[in-house]
Amino acid sequence: DVKVTQSSRYLVKRTGEKVFLECVQDMDHENMFWYRQDPGLGLRLIYFSYDVKMKEKGDIPEGYSVSREKKERFSLILESASTNQTSMYLCASLSSGRASYGYTFGSGTRLTVV
Amino acid sequence: QQQVKQSPQSLIVQKGGISIINCAYENTAFDYFPWYQQFPGKGPALLIAIRPDVSEKKEGRFTISFNKSAKQFSLHIMDSQPGDSATYFCAANFGGSQGNLIFGKGTKLSVKP
Repeated sequence: DVKVTQSSRYLVKRTGEKVFLECVQDMDHENMFWYRQDPGLGLRLIYFSYDVKMKEKGDIPEGYSVSREKKERFSLILESASTNQTSMYLCASLSSGRASYGYTFGSGTRLTVV
Repeated sequence: QQQVKQSPQSLIVQKGGISIINCAYENTAFDYFPWYQQFPGKGPALLIAIRPDVSEKKEGRFTISFNKSAKQFSLHIMDSQPGDSATYFCAANFGGSQGNLIFGKGTKLSVKP
C-alpha cells in the first residue's frame, strides 16, 4: 500500500513564525498535492507538484510556498504564519496509472497559529 | 465551472437504512469521480470511484450511480451501519493523468443504532 506520511499530527506556532510542514510518500509518485481542510469549506488546493523542482499554484496559494527537492518529499511552507492559517493540512500523492489511478492522503497536520 | 456541489451537508440514517449523498458538476472535462470517506482525526481515504463511461459501480454495500447527461453522481450506502458514520466527500478530476481533484464540501453522515 502507498504510504503518505506527514511528519507532525499537531503543531502550535506563533504569529509571524516560518512554518514547515513535511510530507513523504514511498511509492515514487510524480504528483503530490497540499490541501487545507476547514469546516464548511471542504478541501481546498494550495499547491501541487508534477515533478521534482516543479510546482503549480492551486486555488489558495497566498501566504504559502512549497519545495520539492526530492521526488518523495513535498514540503509546505508558511512564510509568516497568521491566525487565519489555523487549519488541517492534508498532503496527497497520486498514482496515475489507469488501473491503479487514485489519490492517497496522509493523516493530516492540525496547525494552530496563536 | 470547476465546482462540485454536494448535498446534503449532514445526514442522519437509522441502522440498516440507505444513505444517499448527491453531487453535481458543470465541467464536462471531468474524467474521474471518486468518493472519499474521512473519520475524525484521519485523512480522507478512497472509498469508491467511477469513470464517466459507466453508469454504475458497486463495491460491497457502496454504489456510485452516474448520470452523464444530468452531470450528477451519487453515493448509495446500503444497510448503513454505525461504523459508516463519517464525513463523505465527492470529487471530480480535471487534470487527466496528472490529476487535479475538485472536492465537494462534504456530508457528515451519522448512522443511529
